Amino acid sequence: SAVISQKPSRDICQRGTSLTIQCQVDSQVTMMFWYRQQPGQSLTLIATANQGSEATYESGFVIDKFPISRPNLTFSTLTVSNMSPEDSSIYLCTGLAGGPSYNEQFFGPGTRLTVL
Amino acid sequence: QKEVEQNSGPLSVPEGAIASLNCTYSDRVSQSFFWYRQYSGKSPELIMSIYSNGDKEDGRFTAQLNKASQYVSLLIRDSQPSDSATYLCAVNTGNNRKLIWGLGTSLAVNP
Repeated sequence: SAVISQKPSRDICQRGTSLTIQCQVDSQVTMMFWYRQQPGQSLTLIATANQGSEATYESGFVIDKFPISRPNLTFSTLTVSNMSPEDSSIYLCTGLAGGPSYNEQFFGPGTRLTVL
Repeated sequence: QKEVEQNSGPLSVPEGAIASLNCTYSDRVSQSFFWYRQYSGKSPELIMSIYSNGDKEDGRFTAQLNKASQYVSLLIRDSQPSDSATYLCAVNTGNNRKLIWGLGTSLAVNP
């Protein structure tokens, strides 16, 4: 399985600012995803990070608010823009490795974001 | 709307017992099924994947898949207090490799 790291592990930010979260995988992965998990809740998919092209966003998430980059097969960033307290959450990236028959996703440790 | 449903719990079992966690899904063409364990304050960790009908065993864990009845279960034998966590069921239903997640079942193993 791939090993995924995220930076920062946590941050406290002021309303109206932006934060960029980095996700690094120790091996090439075919796909990367970004999730949000609010306290006591399950996982909500924000977007699929596509290598070399624009991310594919889920309903309720837009590029202006959550711009994503994926310049290569091992790295992606998620920016949370113009933050409000409602953006306080844990942000998680995942990598998907293996051939087309396998869909096992491996999680990074997460970034705990608090917006004041 | 594709859905994955789990009993939220908490499911409480004594140490050494078998814990049984269940998950049902709505999309009949679902192809891949996963169980993740999430400790409080940590990210989810994949513990089992299953792709074919029947049982798949890995140590104390057994995943069971029944596509006709659209359910997947996870059995934990000889439950330990360290198994206390939330267990998330996830299902892949199409070619886009995305997962549909359940809300998770909280398991408490009592010493």
